[in-house]
Order: sequence, then structure tokens, then C-alpha cells
Amino acid sequence: EADIYQTPRYLVIGTGKKITLECSQTMGHDKMYWYQQDPGMELHLIHYSYGVNSTEKGDLSSESTVSRIRTEHFPLTLESARPSHTSQYLCASSGDREAGELFFGEGSRLTVL
Amino acid sequence: GQNIDQPTEMTATEGAIVQINCTYQTSGFNGLFWYQQHAGEAPTFLSYNVLDGLEEKGRFSSFLSRSKGYSYLLLKELQMKDSASYLCAVMDSNYQLIWGAGTKLIIKP
Repeated sequence: EADIYQTPRYLVIGTGKKITLECSQTMGHDKMYWYQQDPGMELHLIHYSYGVNSTEKGDLSSESTVSRIRTEHFPLTLESARPSHTSQYLCASSGDREAGELFFGEGSRLTVL
Repeated sequence: GQNIDQPTEMTATEGAIVQINCTYQTSGFNGLFWYQQHAGEAPTFLSYNVLDGLEEKGRFSSFLSRSKGYSYLLLKELQMKDSASYLCAVMDSNYQLIWGAGTKLIIKP
């Protein structure tokens, strides 16, 4: 059973609002990821981190930022939400031994009006 | 560019066998992964291949041919709960996962 948690599960907000999606894992994994996924579409990597104080941008520029101050915590912040940000956001982590075996959180479904 | 191709949708009958194909073109190769994703849920890891050949895990098997850039996921004795999307992903030379769009598998009674 994976121990990775995301909050909120669902969020409806207005354009221009600042939001933070929380992600925490209790597995001690160094690698953590944020993906964006629209229904029936592939996963797009937004940001990733290979450890504390290490963050990198992925292929998808979504005008978001992340931080990794603690191993277990990897929040994603949208400074000014737009309707184009409406999507499912998935947080994941992986251990060193099997870097491609990702454990996903349940996701945060964001709707921007 | 990097590319993962899988069929968009497949239909099969309960109790039957289905093979989901995946072809890839990536810069480097450090393993191929299959994930299952039920509608509205997060993906869950199914299998990992890094060497050519077949890996069997219960009702599910995954095959890899690196020379052909090809893999398949074989599901036997299909059950209704197997209705889901199946995602193929390849780890490239930078150890980044490149994801396919997924194959939606519909199981009919």
C-alpha cells in the first residue's frame, strides 16, 4: 500500500487566485514528481525533485512553482490560476532502487472558472 | 523526438486473452514500464522490463524486444475489474519517464 497523500482532492476556484496543492509521502523516497493529466491523455511532467533543495522543471510549463524543504513534502503552487489550468494533478514518488516504479497519490482535480 | 505509440482503445470478452502493444522511439533506454489506471484514479505499477523477453506476474505478462522498440502487455483470464487504461512508459537516457497516452481496455461479459 503506497503512502502518498494529496490535498485537496477537488478544488473549484476563480481566475487569478493563488493555490497550493499539497503532496506528502511517508516512504522516505528522495524522488518526487508532479504530473498533469487531462482525461484520456498522457501524463505530462510539470516538476520533479531528486531530493531536499533540488527541484527541476519538466516538459510542461504550467506557470507553477514547487519547493522541497523536507523529504516528505513537495507542494505545487499556481500563483495566478487560469481556466487553462483546469486539469487533474498527480503527485508521485519513487525509491532509488526502482526509479521507474512510481507510487501515485490519488490526485487533485482542479477547476478554474 | 521521443514517441510512445499504443492503440487508443481495445475491446475484449470476459475470460479471454488480450494483448496490448506498445512501440517506442526514445533517446536511450533504461527500462519499460506498464501501469494500470482505472477511470478517475491514479496509475498503479504493473510491470518492468529492461532485458529482452517475457516477464510473467500472475495473469499479467509483459514482453520486450529492445531491437524492435516493441513491448506488449498480455492479460489472461480477463475479469470485469480489468477494465481500465493501460499506460506504457519508457525511461530514457536521462532517467526520465516518457509516457504513452494509454490504451483503454473495455471488457464485455
